[in-house]
Amino acid sequence: EVQLVESGGGLVQPGGSLRLSCAASGFTFSSYWMSWVRQAPGKGLEWVANIKQDGSEKYYVDSVKGRFTISRDNAKNSLYLQMNSLRAEDTAVYYCARAPLLRHFDYWGQGTLVTVSS
Amino acid sequence: QSALTQPASVSGSPGQSITISCTGTSSDVGSYNLVSWYQQHPGKAPKLMIYEVSKRPSGVSNRFSGSKSGNTASLTISGLQAEDEADYYCCSYAGSSTQGFGGGTKLTVL
Repeated sequence: EVQLVESGGGLVQPGGSLRLSCAASGFTFSSYWMSWVRQAPGKGLEWVANIKQDGSEKYYVDSVKGRFTISRDNAKNSLYLQMNSLRAEDTAVYYCARAPLLRHFDYWGQGTLVTVSS
Repeated sequence: QSALTQPASVSGSPGQSITISCTGTSSDVGSYNLVSWYQQHPGKAPKLMIYEVSKRPSGVSNRFSGSKSGNTASLTISGLQAEDEADYYCCSYAGSSTQGFGGGTKLTVL
């Protein structure tokens, strides 16, 4: 059974940093593109970042470029999102998702809430 | 990285059919047969319902179907059931290894 479990969310002040993790199990993690998708409270879904199977390619939505870094550790079956210079508008539930060949998102974690507030 | 356009809300009675549209551009929906649809119940993670315009994942009811014409994709739910009441999001590959989501549509089963 495919499982994705996010952790690392919490309350952080504007300008602060946070690192999200996603533990994957039930599939060959190193064979899949992985993604982060976020959802602000009461709002819709927003794609945030993609990372290739070997970590050699990374792509970001314009609003997080230069502030967020997606990474992965295939030995640990884990996906990460390092978030720096956080802003109030980054407040959201962050989901990790499996993205086979970037065609769609077929499995999602339960999400972790990030709140940016003073 | 523009958002796709969906109606904010749709409604239907049990047993009826509804269609949710998703309008993009020639750079996303119109260029790729990589439109997917997600169902999200309150407080839950999204669930993949349709991928590659019209394919259904294993376990998804055949009451859900998808199509595309030009820059607009559509999700049709037939034989509406109370459990279908949820938010629905479309998503399209947008080139350069990026994706974009629609704003979401709230489906109310009357």
